[in-house]
Amino acid sequence: ETGVTQSPTHLIKTRGQQVTLRCSSQSGHNTVSWYQQALGQGPQFIFQYYREEENGRGNFPPRFSGLQFPNYSSELNVNALELDDSALYLCASSRTSRGAADTQYFGPGTRLTVL
Amino acid sequence: DAKTTQPNSMESNEEEPVHLPCNHSTISGTDYIHWYRQLPSQGPEYVIHGLTSNVNNRMASLAIAEDRKSSTLILHRATLRDAAVYYCIWGGSNYKLTFGKGTLLTVNP
Repeated sequence: ETGVTQSPTHLIKTRGQQVTLRCSSQSGHNTVSWYQQALGQGPQFIFQYYREEENGRGNFPPRFSGLQFPNYSSELNVNALELDDSALYLCASSRTSRGAADTQYFGPGTRLTVL
Repeated sequence: DAKTTQPNSMESNEEEPVHLPCNHSTISGTDYIHWYRQLPSQGPEYVIHGLTSNVNNRMASLAIAEDRKSSTLILHRATLRDAAVYYCIWGGSNYKLTFGKGTLLTVNP
């Protein structure tokens, strides 16, 4: 069974640019969540996608957007990058049934640095 | 917000038991308690979860207080590979995990 994978591993961008991060879910999982983890902090929930629809969103501005594809892989897009967007971005997949999500399985993350 | 209180750090010796406490005094009756851990340079990893009664799995045990306002994660024999940040999380909706700063566990050889 393949775990959650994310690409790229590291990324350097400049302020104002746009970035796309990718996530491949674990086999059999239909739900993807994205988290932002600043240095020394716990992960903060950005949003979740279930069957290609957004299923909940944290306290992040609209320039953070996402997509989930029919194969349940996902993208996180961030527009107009700011210095504070520098963080580790984590993707987690889970299996949702009857409205309740199972345990979340995290990928290794993408380290984004904004200069 | 689903607030929890955990010690910033704890230290243990290898092969000794470790008890990691967590206070969650505002938890409601239907909220599960979850524990995740994050090893250096990795994403968080599920450890265990429970609702009311104590739970065991191959990684750890979870002891939940009768009033459910606190819980303790128990590692029965700590190894160097258990050195990580441990997060205690609660919430009725499993879709959103609200992480705090967690407890940094150091395991001494």
